[in-house]
Amino acid sequence: SAVISQKPSRDICQRGTSLTIQCQVDSQVTMMFWYRQQPGQSLTLIATANQGSEATYESGFVIDKFPISRPNLTFSTLTVSNMSPEDSSIYLCSVGVANDNQPQHFGDGTRLSIL
Amino acid sequence: GQQLNQSPQSMFIQEGEDVSMNCTSSSIFNTWLWYKQDPGEGPVLLIALYKAGELTSNGRLTAQFGITRKDSFLNISASIPSDVGIYFCAGLTPSGYALNFGKGTSLLVTP
Repeated sequence: SAVISQKPSRDICQRGTSLTIQCQVDSQVTMMFWYRQQPGQSLTLIATANQGSEATYESGFVIDKFPISRPNLTFSTLTVSNMSPEDSSIYLCSVGVANDNQPQHFGDGTRLSIL
Repeated sequence: GQQLNQSPQSMFIQEGEDVSMNCTSSSIFNTWLWYKQDPGEGPVLLIALYKAGELTSNGRLTAQFGITRKDSFLNISASIPSDVGIYFCAGLTPSGYALNFGKGTSLLVTP
């Protein structure tokens, strides 16, 4: 399975600031996804990072708040913009091949706390 | 996304006991996955199921893809303390490309 590295692993940020999270994969992958896991909760899909085109956002998530880049098949970034305490969560990158019976694997996540 | 109902929400058992948890959906899935998440880490894939009726084992873990394609269960036999963690089911609909997750089952094992 692919090895997924996320940076930073954790951060504490001030209200109103923005943070960019990086996701690096050790092999080329078609699909990259960004999830949010709020404290004590399950995983919720934020968006699908598409290489060469705009990300596809799920209901409740918008590009202005969570801009995503996908410059190539091994790398993506998620920015959490204008942060508030409600954005305190674990943000997880995952990779998988769409509809090809390939299970998704996850990075260890970025633990974000906003003061 | 589709709603997955995962139960039980939590389990507190003694070492050596067997464990069973399940997920149901109102929609048909063509893939069921089971993950375990330890504190401070991302979910780790335990078992992947791709065919209705499929029964797959991974050591002491056994999972089945329900024949109706709307449910799946995970069994852990002879539990040990390192089985402690949160177990998530996840499913992929035929038309989907991203996973829908259950709310998780928190497992505690006492020696």
